[in-house]
Amino acid sequence: DGGITQSPKYLFRKEGQNVTLSCEQNLNHDAMYWYRQDPGQGLRLIYYSQIVNDFQKGDIAEGYSVSREKKESFPLTVTSAQKNPTAFYLCASTHPFSGELFFGEGSRLTVL
Amino acid sequence: RKEVEQDPGPFNVPEGATVAFNCTYSNSASQSFFWYRQDCRKEPKLLMSVYSSGNEDGRFTAQLNRASQYISLLIRDSKLSDSATYLCVVNGRGGSYIPTFGRGTSLIVHP
Repeated sequence: DGGITQSPKYLFRKEGQNVTLSCEQNLNHDAMYWYRQDPGQGLRLIYYSQIVNDFQKGDIAEGYSVSREKKESFPLTVTSAQKNPTAFYLCASTHPFSGELFFGEGSRLTVL
Repeated sequence: RKEVEQDPGPFNVPEGATVAFNCTYSNSASQSFFWYRQDCRKEPKLLMSVYSSGNEDGRFTAQLNRASQYISLLIRDSKLSDSATYLCVVNGRGGSYIPTFGRGTSLIVHP
């Protein structure tokens, strides 16, 4: 079955540590996105990539970094510069013709 | 003005009620429209795509009004299991458009 796989599902981090969240898709989609969701809030765009080897900052990119070396993979690194990283992180891709979004199950990051 | 606006609610309705949500969007170049359902602490899941001709799936009906730039979702005969947050998503086609989300409308169906 095609889809998006995010890992890990839960992650605990000490302050000052970088962590990388994995996002892999086998849908052959060009466009991929990372969103952050805080409790009771909507989704906010962190970074997006519309094609391999290219990515753009979203609305809240500060303290985050990404890479897109392969079409299938779009990892997100939460750096120590992100002041409030505890959140639910969602990776998504879009179907090129319908525009439908496909989501991974999310990664829940907690900073201790 | 936000690109996609939804009333956050919550909408608190009894079982069996009919409830309607609206969502307005500002980009007239938008080409694809969706309603997603998100349960607490889970990822959003596609509920329905929305077409100009309207579409229906069981108790759910979605409509698009391009002239007024809004989409709607009607839920008939509400069930307890319909309790969730409903997200309006507006997108284009091709690589140049960034999908845009409403903040979501919370629905609580009570016995």
